Amino acid sequence: EAGVTQFPSHSVIEKGQTVTLRCDPISGHDNLYWYRRVMGKEIKFLLHFVKESKQDESGMPNNRFLAERTGGTYSTLKVQPAELEDSGVYFCASSPPGQGAYEQYFGPGTRLTVT
Amino acid sequence: QKEVEQDPGPLSVPEGAIVSLNCTYSNSAFQYFMWYRQYSRKGPELLMYTYSSGNKEDGRFTAQVDKSSKYISLFIRDSQPSDSATYLCVTGFQKLVFGTGTRLLVSP
Repeated sequence: EAGVTQFPSHSVIEKGQTVTLRCDPISGHDNLYWYRRVMGKEIKFLLHFVKESKQDESGMPNNRFLAERTGGTYSTLKVQPAELEDSGVYFCASSPPGQGAYEQYFGPGTRLTVT
Repeated sequence: QKEVEQDPGPLSVPEGAIVSLNCTYSNSAFQYFMWYRQYSRKGPELLMYTYSSGNKEDGRFTAQVDKSSKYISLFIRDSQPSDSATYLCVTGFQKLVFGTGTRLLVSP
């Protein structure tokens, strides 16, 4: 069974540009989560989808971040326009229906560098 | 105050040693407690989880939770060089709350 995949693995963009990160969850996983780790800090929750609906987006830092989950399958996280403080590693995780904490499977992350 | 506090390390031990990793949390409402392991340039991988207080053992790994003191521990017996990684103390349910992680180095 394929794990959670994320694309790209690394992205370097200039301040003010737009970047779109993609996450493909494990097949059959209704729950999809985005997390972020900025330099020297802990991994922090951004948002949670159940199928195509946003269940909790309390961790989204501001309106420059837009997450979507088309048809309840893959998800994208767009940052527009990117700022220097957006640099970090963005992780996606997924879990089966009805499960949560102890069933979250993480992808390898996308390392975003904003210059 | 951070919701989950962990010593960042690094913690260096020789192969075969018993390792003790610890963290504290602030929110008494938390019921699920997890340890994730993260190798360099990889995503976090669930190692163990515990519900409420108590102990849980899985092979060389034992997790302990003391809700009265809000203290969480992970013990690794007979540590191996392959255990070298960052260990993340995590709680929450759908919305996970992470500690900063403790970097463990096991030397042959």
